[in-house]
Amino acid sequence: DAGITQSPRYKITETGRQVTLMCHQTWSHSYMFWYRQDLGHGLRLIYYSAAADITDKGEVPDGYVVSRSKTENFPLTLESATRSQTSVYFCASSRSSGGPVADTQYFGPGTRLTVL
Amino acid sequence: EDQVTQSPEALRLQEGESSSLNCSYTVSGLRGLFWYRQDPGKGPEFLFTLYSAGEEKEKERLKATLTKKESFLHITAPKPEDSATYLCAVQPMFSGGYNKLIFGAGTRLAVHP
Repeated sequence: DAGITQSPRYKITETGRQVTLMCHQTWSHSYMFWYRQDLGHGLRLIYYSAAADITDKGEVPDGYVVSRSKTENFPLTLESATRSQTSVYFCASSRSSGGPVADTQYFGPGTRLTVL
Repeated sequence: EDQVTQSPEALRLQEGESSSLNCSYTVSGLRGLFWYRQDPGKGPEFLFTLYSAGEEKEKERLKATLTKKESFLHITAPKPEDSATYLCAVQPMFSGGYNKLIFGAGTRLAVHP
């Protein structure tokens, strides 16, 4: 039962480089999310996806690009990394958004990204 | 504006010393309130979902309660392994079509032997 995995777990890169963070889930969840976690800000949503080929912006999308060609994968790309994007990135997934009942989001282990 | 505030920011307890963490929220209709536990270097781990005022849920030494304005996470006779950051999040009833979560900044709990 792999659940939700992220790779790499740690990444150091330089300003201006392109970086892709990977997220894979084995539950066939419809929804997937990318968050960043910074001291003083808590978890903030970058992008989310409702299904394959359906993505939308969250609270802090600038500088990030996502795609979702397969239900199980949701990569996050920093097209030209900046120091302000140094953070811990978490991927999450949930079953669906429909109905009045709240759907639980399950989180991956995170990727710690440092931009020099 | 939907908002979640957790207090205290940090809490130090002796083993066996019971206490409570607070999560105050402002939301235009609550679909659910979530508690997560986060260990250093790991992702948030789901603990509880509460849906309506008056609801309570328990798991081992943890009990979560919910009112119309806040939630409490009560920790009874804590052990050192309960040390972690506890995150509270709310899901508004009207989320623009997805199960949006609004997180608080968390409470860092340290339990000492």
